[in-house]
Amino acid sequence: NAGVTQTPKFQVLKTGQSMTLQCAQDMNHNSMYWYRQDPGMGLRLIYYSASEGTTDKGEVPNGYNVSRLNKREFSLRLESAAPSQTSVYFCASSEVRSGRFGTDTQYFGPGTRLTVL
Amino acid sequence: QKEVEQNSGPLSVPEGAIASLNCTYSDRVSQSFFWYRQYSGKSPELIMSIYSNGDKEDGRFTAQLNKASQYVSLLIRDSQPSDSATYLCAVIGNQGGKLIFGQGTELSVKP
Repeated sequence: NAGVTQTPKFQVLKTGQSMTLQCAQDMNHNSMYWYRQDPGMGLRLIYYSASEGTTDKGEVPNGYNVSRLNKREFSLRLESAAPSQTSVYFCASSEVRSGRFGTDTQYFGPGTRLTVL
Repeated sequence: QKEVEQNSGPLSVPEGAIASLNCTYSDRVSQSFFWYRQYSGKSPELIMSIYSNGDKEDGRFTAQLNKASQYVSLLIRDSQPSDSATYLCAVIGNQGGKLIFGQGTELSVKP
């Protein structure tokens, strides 16, 4: 079991460039999440997917789009990167038990360090 | 007011001492509380979850929850240098069950 995997591990972009961050989990989890982490800010939710075929905005969705490709994969796209999007991005997944969304443990991927120049 | 607040630290304790990490939250209807540990350059990992008022113990770790005071804490007994990390408090908010994280407290355990 690899758990949650993310690619790439590091990326440098120029302002205005686009890219997609990939995330996959092999734990048969229903829910997946994208967070960004900035110094002194903790983790902030960008988008989440409660189940295959659904996506919802989190706290900081502007400038991002997501796709839940199937149950395993959840990608995050930056259409036109900006320096304010320089951050560490974490993908996470959890198994949602009936009637108690969000109480399950979230398992995190290793992160992608993105720099936008 | 932030939804989940922690002292950013750093909190420095000597090896063998008890480290006490604190967290307050603003949403009175929050039901689920978590402590994550994050080593520098690594991803967060869950170390404790607590749902009911009182104490929950797991090895050297004890989580304490007081819903009336909107306060959750983590005690680490017999602190080891390997416990040096940032500890993130997280709460299930009232917005569809999403986790809300505090900014984290950096703990340093000195040999």
